[in-house]
Amino acid sequence: EVHLLESGGGLVQPGGSLRLSCVASEFSFSNYVMNWVRQAPGKGLEWVSGIDIHGSTWYADSMKGRFAISRDNSKNTLYLQINSLRAADTALYFCATIAPRPSDSGYGMDVWGQGTTVTVSS
Amino acid sequence: EIVLTQSPATLSLSPGERATLSCRTSQSVSNYLVWYQQKPGQAPRLLIYDTFNRATGIPARFSGSGSGTDFTLTISSLDPEDFAVYYCQQRSSWPITFGQGTRLENK
Repeated sequence: EVHLLESGGGLVQPGGSLRLSCVASEFSFSNYVMNWVRQAPGKGLEWVSGIDIHGSTWYADSMKGRFAISRDNSKNTLYLQINSLRAADTALYFCATIAPRPSDSGYGMDVWGQGTTVTVSS
Repeated sequence: EIVLTQSPATLSLSPGERATLSCRTSQSVSNYLVWYQQKPGQAPRLLIYDTFNRATGIPARFSGSGSGTDFTLTISSLDPEDFAVYYCQQRSSWPITFGQGTRLENK
């Protein structure tokens, strides 16, 4: 069964940094466009960043500069580095296989992890 | 970035009734519009992709329609398990964006 498992969340002070990880299993990770989506407590879904199979990256306009997505295909792992954390970054962070085009692997068959919680507080 | 506006914010209906949820985009997204369902404590579940294609395992009571900038998710006859929050999302261009969600509640 296709599976994504996020980790790396926790309680961080404002101004701190975190690196989130997402390990994929039971599918050809290197062939998939991967994404991070976050959800603040009681709020809606907010797309954060995506990376395609060639390593090209995209970010939500509000995320540019402090967020960095990367992948290690040898480890079937997706990463999200978040710097200069703010209280507004407090959220559940999901990784997901969101394939934008019919030619992308997994098109029409999103897989989501269960998320890792980031809390920014002093 | 493309802005998605969902309406209504909350929809109160009873089981067996028909639900119509709207999503409007700030510019054309062709047919690259998807719908998700999210229940408390769960990850979102893909319902509809390419405006009208049901994802694997999604019941036929869910249908999508629309084009360009106006899209609709219809649930023909509400089942008790359908009460949840629904999000539209565009994949026409980066950055991918979501609507703010419609909460479908049991009247």
